[in-house]
Amino acid sequence: DIQMTQSPSTLSASVGDRVTITCRASQSISSWLAWYQQKPGKAPKLLIYKASSLESGVPSRFSGSGSGTEFTLTISSLQPDDFATYYCQQYNSYSTFGPGTKVDIK
Amino acid sequence: QVTLKESGPVLVKPTETLTLTCTVSGFSLSNARMGVSWIRQPPGKALEWLAHIFSNDEKSYSTSLKSRLTISKDTSKSQVVLTMTNMDPVDTATYYCARSYRTLGILKFDPWGQGTLVTVSS
Repeated sequence: DIQMTQSPSTLSASVGDRVTITCRASQSISSWLAWYQQKPGKAPKLLIYKASSLESGVPSRFSGSGSGTEFTLTISSLQPDDFATYYCQQYNSYSTFGPGTKVDIK
Repeated sequence: QVTLKESGPVLVKPTETLTLTCTVSGFSLSNARMGVSWIRQPPGKALEWLAHIFSNDEKSYSTSLKSRLTISKDTSKSQVVLTMTNMDPVDTATYYCARSYRTLGILKFDPWGQGTLVTVSS
């Protein structure tokens, strides 16, 4: 099975900060990676698919990069609505989610 | 507008079998690019993919839970059913279904249902 890790597990930041979250796969998954945002009590929302493709309607301050085993999600200028937990997901072999990164207010 | 809604028991006893239904609207389960996935999330913990099914009846299961899961669909009713046998308190979680859109190697889980909290307790 492909295992996913994320770092950091928690990130404290301020509005306007540039934020980067890293996701690593236990083996190469090419570009078969997605990122989701989840707010408390809500279902996850798709942000990025195929590692770097922005889902329709998602603000352009979100971007994804990487391939193989290492990926990043970047928020160029953190907005109040962005405080949430972010999950990466591989779909190269079945599907696996990462453990999540909580972005909270500094 | 695409929507999905999960339904099923809120409380099950240990060793019982859980049956959850996902009713979809706004897309057809017979569409070649469409499927439905089940994902769960224990309280305060991470997401865990469980299974998915596609229009051609292709099914995949989490390796760790494969022996306990069965996924099926009724296209005429726009429903996907997940059964999980031998429930245990560690299976207490919010269970989500999500549309799985697949094309050219891309797989998107979007949108998701609101989720249903299932508690396993005697």
